[in-house]
Amino acid sequence: LAKTTQPISMDSYEGQEVNITCSHNNIATNDYITWYQQFPSQGPRFIIQGYKTKVTNEVASLFIPADRKSSTLSLPRVSLSDTAVYYCLVGEYNFNKFYFGSGTKLNVKP
Amino acid sequence: EAGVTQFPSHSVIEKGQTVTLRCDPISGHDNLYWYRRVMGKEIKFLLHFVKESKQDESGMPNNRFLAERTGGTYSTLKVQPAELEDSGVYFCASREPNGGEQFFGPGTRLTVL
Repeated sequence: LAKTTQPISMDSYEGQEVNITCSHNNIATNDYITWYQQFPSQGPRFIIQGYKTKVTNEVASLFIPADRKSSTLSLPRVSLSDTAVYYCLVGEYNFNKFYFGSGTKLNVKP
Repeated sequence: EAGVTQFPSHSVIEKGQTVTLRCDPISGHDNLYWYRRVMGKEIKFLLHFVKESKQDESGMPNNRFLAERTGGTYSTLKVQPAELEDSGVYFCASREPNGGEQFFGPGTRLTVL
């Protein structure tokens, strides 16, 4: 499993765009990049998944450069309810063993 | 549609006792996973079921842990005997047969005194 590196924590204010970057230098050709969000006392929740270039859904965007050694999760106009831990995970599309890492604790302030 | 459910939500036991955690996956999800986060550490994979078969149990810490999924529906994770270092949050997740995301349950918080 490719290991990932993320900032331990980030602060933001309501209404701002937040970008969380994840490094995965050893990503394999078949690997996808998946982001999960976790609120206190809850299980992780899927946000977005991508392989290359850009993916967008109703919640976030995921930017992946051509070399795929990093990825950036973009959260538009965050609110207080986006305060959570965000995990970047790398593995095959059907991968069955997540390596969570430490995640990024995002703190959104009013 | 109901999500992944776990029972109990919190369990407090004494060292040496036995505890059984239960996970009910989303209906139709053949894949079932167990993870845990012990205090101060990262979420770690324990094992993966495909229906009733153990596909990968490489993350099980030792033989005090026994996971079962008889009938390929719900799963149980038994810890016997429990040790202090087993305290943490145990998560269960499930996934459809043909891929897609893993859906996580809310977790069971286990406290061993």
